[in-house]
Amino acid sequence: NAGVTQTPKFQVLKTGQSMTLQCAQDMNHEYMSWYRQDPGMGLRLIHYSVGAGITDQGEVPNGYNVSRSTTEDFPLRLLSAAPSQTSVYFCASSVDGELFFGEGSRLTVL
Amino acid sequence: ELKVEQNPLFLSMQEGKNYTIYCNYSTTSDRLYWYRQDPGKSLESLFVLLSNGAVKQEGRLMASLDTKARLSTLHITAAVHDLSATYFCAVDTGNQFYFGTGTSLTVIP
Repeated sequence: NAGVTQTPKFQVLKTGQSMTLQCAQDMNHEYMSWYRQDPGMGLRLIHYSVGAGITDQGEVPNGYNVSRSTTEDFPLRLLSAAPSQTSVYFCASSVDGELFFGEGSRLTVL
Repeated sequence: ELKVEQNPLFLSMQEGKNYTIYCNYSTTSDRLYWYRQDPGKSLESLFVLLSNGAVKQEGRLMASLDTKARLSTLHITAAVHDLSATYFCAVDTGNQFYFGTGTSLTVIP
């Protein structure tokens, strides 16, 4: 049972570079979401999707883009990385409100 | 702006003792969740509370929800070392989830 799979697990970027964090789930969940976790701040919602072709902004969307072309995949794009985007990123899918998280991606922006 | 506040933020307790973690939130919601996170790991679902008065128990942990008071509690009974982790509550407002800042629990032998 793969569940929610995130790649890469670790990434170091230079300021201004772009990259994509991949997220895939095999549970056929319509709802998927991205969070960032920073020390002392819990998890904050970046973007979410309620189904293929539908995305919406969460609490902290600036600097990030998402798309949802299939039910399984929900990539998160950093357009021009900034040091403030150094964080641990979690992807999650949901059924009936209960979130199932990936293992996380630790991103450092220098 | 919706706020989800947990207290305490840090909790150190001896094995065998009881304690309660509180989660207050600032909006109307009937759906609240508790998650556990071990250091360097992902979050694991503990409890799903979907109505006022809901109570769920699993082992030494029991969670409850009072939607009128906008309060959920996570009660720990006779703590053991394996319960050391960070615990998060999260409120569901429809399609958006708001997390508390977490309670870091350390159980001391």
